Amino acid sequence: AQSVTQLGSHVSVSEGALVLLRCNYSSSVPPYLFWYVQYPNQGLQLLLKYTSAATLVKGINGFEAEFKKSETSFHLTKPSAHMSDAAEYFCAVSDQGGKLIFGQGTELSVKP
Amino acid sequence: ETGVTQTPRHLVMGMTNKKSLKCEQHLGHNAMYWYKQSAKKPLELMFVYNFKEQTENNSVPSRFSPECPNSSHLFLHLHTLQPEDSALYLCASSQKSLGGPSTDTQYFGPGTRLTVL
Repeated sequence: AQSVTQLGSHVSVSEGALVLLRCNYSSSVPPYLFWYVQYPNQGLQLLLKYTSAATLVKGINGFEAEFKKSETSFHLTKPSAHMSDAAEYFCAVSDQGGKLIFGQGTELSVKP
Repeated sequence: ETGVTQTPRHLVMGMTNKKSLKCEQHLGHNAMYWYKQSAKKPLELMFVYNFKEQTENNSVPSRFSPECPNSSHLFLHLHTLQPEDSALYLCASSQKSLGGPSTDTQYFGPGTRLTVL
């Protein structure tokens, strides 16, 4: 069975600081991995996805994530946080049949 | 309208009421999904429809009844709900490729915030 663990339900950074949101997965087959962002009172928006091509994936809004098979990780990073990045972030793994398994989410706060 | 829309955005209902949530996708996709998002819990997949056929029911109680009349519309009929059913209900759609692994991206609507009194 597949599963996703996001380390830290809440992360707080200062504006301009590095953003690092951690995601570890468990999968018995080569996984497809996704990061979604949810702003208040909105649905989920895709940030980026990994589908077995390049291990470093670039997404929207300056975010990127690196797939590390040896560590079963897919951490999300952004070099410099902006106030508008404050939101909840979800990591998800797909079983290649299209079914997504989500982590519990990480709320990102950005301090001025 | 663009993307995935959901109505109503907010709904308050009593335990004896019957109501329906509506989802419409304007993306030409062939698969639609219902998710439940409760506070402090991961998103829970409830139902999946591929080409209007239900392909997944994730052990959802019968008080939730989905309907997919065509590939663009998805409903969730609610009756005799419990207070613990209060949550954000999200609809999503995707374009599934026929055969082989699916890397389809799911596009989400804004959700319906449901409160059961």
